[in-house]
Amino acid sequence: QVQLQESGPGLVKPSETLSLTCSVSGGSLSSYSWSWIRQPPGKGLEWLGYIYYTGTTKYNPSLKSRVAMSLDTSRNQFSLNLSSVTAADTAVYYCGGPYQTRFDYLGQGTLVTVSS
Amino acid sequence: QSALTQPPSASGSPGQSVTISCTGTSSDVGRHKYVSWYQQHPGKAPKLMIYEVTHRPSGVPDRFSGSKSGNTASLTVSGLQAEDEADYYCSSSSDSGIIMFGGGTKLSVL
Repeated sequence: QVQLQESGPGLVKPSETLSLTCSVSGGSLSSYSWSWIRQPPGKGLEWLGYIYYTGTTKYNPSLKSRVAMSLDTSRNQFSLNLSSVTAADTAVYYCGGPYQTRFDYLGQGTLVTVSS
Repeated sequence: QSALTQPPSASGSPGQSVTISCTGTSSDVGRHKYVSWYQQHPGKAPKLMIYEVTHRPSGVPDRFSGSKSGNTASLTVSGLQAEDEADYYCSSSSDSGIIMFGGGTKLSVL
């Protein structure tokens, strides 16, 4: 059974970069797409983007050039970097997979608060 | 403002059926088969309930069904049970390649 687990700092200062990693167990990154989704407190879901196992990426244009995703197949992990964060980036961040168009697997989520 | 429009709330009594709508455009829901529905209980991660408009993942009760007509997709929950009380989100792929979510519907079991 595939399981995903997000990890990273729970507190990030404004203007700094939010960095999260998703560890995948019970399956391989290969041949699939891996995504990031977030949910501000009390609000709905927002798709941030995905990275295909080849390294091809697709991002939500609302994030403009602030977002970058990468993967490390040797560690079976993929990562999210979101730069120049503001309070509006405070959210629970979920990693998911294994398809571009749906998320059969989602991590438990990790709350990231942007505050000085 | 969410790209896909869902009613903020829906309700029904145990045993009844309830349908939640998800309205998009001809550039997403209307043209694409990759419409999904997620259930989210408070404090939990979303769970995939329906994919590709009508398909149920293994383990999802057949009380949950999906459909689509034009630019509107729908999730129907039949034989409502107390544990169905949750937030439900639709999502769709789009011509631009991005995934859109609806704003979510809070389903209450009266």
